[in-house]
Amino acid sequence: QSALTQPASVSGSPGQSITISCTGTSSDIGGYNYVSWYQQHPGKAPKLMIYDVSNRPSGVSNRFSGSKSGSTASLTVSGLQAEDEADYYCTSYTSISTLVFGGGTKLTVL
Amino acid sequence: EVQLVESGGGLVQPGGSLRLSCAASGLTFNMYSMSWVRQAPGKGLEWVSGISGSGGETSYGDSAKGRFTISRDNSKNTLYLQMNSLRADDTAVYYCAKGRRNNRDGMDVWGQGTTVTVSS
Repeated sequence: QSALTQPASVSGSPGQSITISCTGTSSDIGGYNYVSWYQQHPGKAPKLMIYDVSNRPSGVSNRFSGSKSGSTASLTVSGLQAEDEADYYCTSYTSISTLVFGGGTKLTVL
Repeated sequence: EVQLVESGGGLVQPGGSLRLSCAASGLTFNMYSMSWVRQAPGKGLEWVSGISGSGGETSYGDSAKGRFTISRDNSKNTLYLQMNSLRADDTAVYYCAKGRRNNRDGMDVWGQGTTVTVSS
């Protein structure tokens, strides 16, 4: 199972919005509405930010939103804040009943 | 508060074995699927293996198939990962993670990780 494709890095200024893409195939993202997004700060465990493509767990800021079109999922962070600077990973359920992660995207707040 | 605490990591020689444990508290353990996820130094996250709440269904990523075995003891609220035939590229921080309901719809609680180093 190949990893999902994410850009290595994205950046934005405070207050701006950014979008991170996550591209898979019809065997993962395109076939299921089971895409999740995780935020990871250096030296910390990952944190669930979005599940089932577009749902936020309680306690996650509504500045984070998710969507999907075909085999590409997206995470949008609006109103960028310094604390949003972190690595972000997408993951999807697959047709062989496994999970697959994206390679990760480093978000820099300028 | 739900807590996951991993243990069992350490230094092991290539070809050796190690068993990781993940002790869960603050939840009805047998209601939730669990996963192991690893992160090699300076690299991204990699899903290793998952198991259903009852333990009756398991699945593995390509790197784990044939070498690793996931299991759980619901009477002890503990998740395990038996790792055999370890290689240098298995060196990583290993996290256990709880599925929201199952592993497909997100992993909402993570442990702090345990470090496995495979080296001679």
